[in-house]
Amino acid sequence: GAVVSQHPSWVICKSGTSVKIECRSLDFQATTMFWYRQFPKQSLMLMATSNEGSKATYEQGVEKDKFLINHASLTLSTLTVTSAHPEDSSFYICSARTDSYNEQFFGPGTRLTVL
Amino acid sequence: SQQGEEDPQALSIQEGENATMNCSYKTSINNLQWYRQNSGRGLVHLILIRSNEREKHSGRLRVTLDTSKKSSSLLITASRAADTASYFCATAAGVGGHAGGTSYGKLTFGQGTILTVHP
Repeated sequence: GAVVSQHPSWVICKSGTSVKIECRSLDFQATTMFWYRQFPKQSLMLMATSNEGSKATYEQGVEKDKFLINHASLTLSTLTVTSAHPEDSSFYICSARTDSYNEQFFGPGTRLTVL
Repeated sequence: SQQGEEDPQALSIQEGENATMNCSYKTSINNLQWYRQNSGRGLVHLILIRSNEREKHSGRLRVTLDTSKKSSSLLITASRAADTASYFCATAAGVGGHAGGTSYGKLTFGQGTILTVHP
């Protein structure tokens, strides 16, 4: 099956620093990647949709200048949390899809803790 | 916005019993999917049912879809302790989404059901 990886799997940083999370599709080319955020005991909330080579589409209420998304290639998308604050602490999950499949393949998630 | 609502929010059963989780949604859909998530981990895709299907089986899983009621159910038969996890339904947009469009394939997740199966 299609595999999506995320790196790092967890990160702890100080308030005010920026953190970059990578999402890679390992064995297929992802035309679209999605970024989700999940707070403890809650569901996944879609943050943004990114298509290779174009600007990401952000969901209402998500600050695009704070959560920078770059979908540089068909196998890599990055999410950068700029000037992170404790309220940004969450579980960030990416998924990838290709037009060949009707299914999204999810990464294992990245646990971000901002001190 | 989250359109999926699931019930129950939490379900506790004994091993061997069946577990039924329900999901309701509000807008038209292309398909509905069920996912499983173990604590602190990523999502595992369980099953996808298209809008023109009414029932689907996969091993111990049975999913139904009633588009007239905008609801779906997931039944896990003969549950095992290893089935303990959170279960989410997710809907993919229907009318208006087209292949290659930025919103195509966008999933909206339900609130989830926390299933605990006691050995």
